[in-house]
Amino acid sequence: LAKTTQPISMDSYEGQEVNITCSHNNIATNDYITWYQQFPSQGPRFIIQGYKTKVTNEVASLFIPADRKSSTLSLPRVSLSDTAVYYCLVGGFTGGGNKLTFGTGTQLKVEL
Amino acid sequence: GAGVSQSPSNKVTEKGKDVELRCDPISGHTALYWYRQSLGQGLEFLIYFQGNSAPDKSGLPSDRFSAERTGGSVSTLTIQRTQQEDSAVYLCASSLDRTRQETQYFGPGTRLLVL
Repeated sequence: LAKTTQPISMDSYEGQEVNITCSHNNIATNDYITWYQQFPSQGPRFIIQGYKTKVTNEVASLFIPADRKSSTLSLPRVSLSDTAVYYCLVGGFTGGGNKLTFGTGTQLKVEL
Repeated sequence: GAGVSQSPSNKVTEKGKDVELRCDPISGHTALYWYRQSLGQGLEFLIYFQGNSAPDKSGLPSDRFSAERTGGSVSTLTIQRTQQEDSAVYLCASSLDRTRQETQYFGPGTRLLVL
C-alpha cells in the first residue's frame, strides 16, 4: 500500500487560499488519490478524488502532476469552519476491495 | 436517515469483557469497512466486507477481533477479552460498488474506553 506524507499542521486566516501537499512516492498504477476532511468527534467526510491532472468541485481543487508522486489539495477562501484534519489517501481496488490507507493527516487551523 | 449509523456512540467497559459494535450502512451499499482511530492517530483499516463475505481481514489486530455481516446490511464488530489498548474510536464506512473507486461514507463512530 502506498504510504503518504503530509504536513502535520498548517495555520491560515479567513479568506485565504490554503494548499496542502501530500507525497506518495510509491503510488501504484491503479491507485486513485482521495482527500477526506474530519471534524472532531465525527467520521471522515469525502472532499475530492482524482487520478491525474486537475479535478475541481464546489469545495476544492486537486492538482496532480504527471508523475503522480504528489498531490495538492487547494481550498479557496477558507473560513473558520474549515478548521479540521485533512487526510490524503491513495488506494485502489485489489482483491481485498478499496482498502484506504490513512496517515496522520494535516491539522488545518483557520483564524480570523 | 440516509447516512451510515453506528451504535453505541460511546461504550465504557472493563478489561476482559467482550463488546459488540454495530454498523448500519447506507441502504444499497454492498461494500462495508471497519477502521480504528486511536487518539491523535490516523485511521487504521481493520476489515472489509463485500456483501456478507470478508475478502480482506488483514487489518484485524488479533484473534480477539472478529466481525460479521448479515443480509448484506448490518455488521457487528466483536472484541473479546478487551484490553486497554483496544480503547479507540471504531469507524464504519460503506460504499456503493467495489468495482470502481467509490467514495466511502463514514459513520460517526463508536468511542470505546476499556478501563
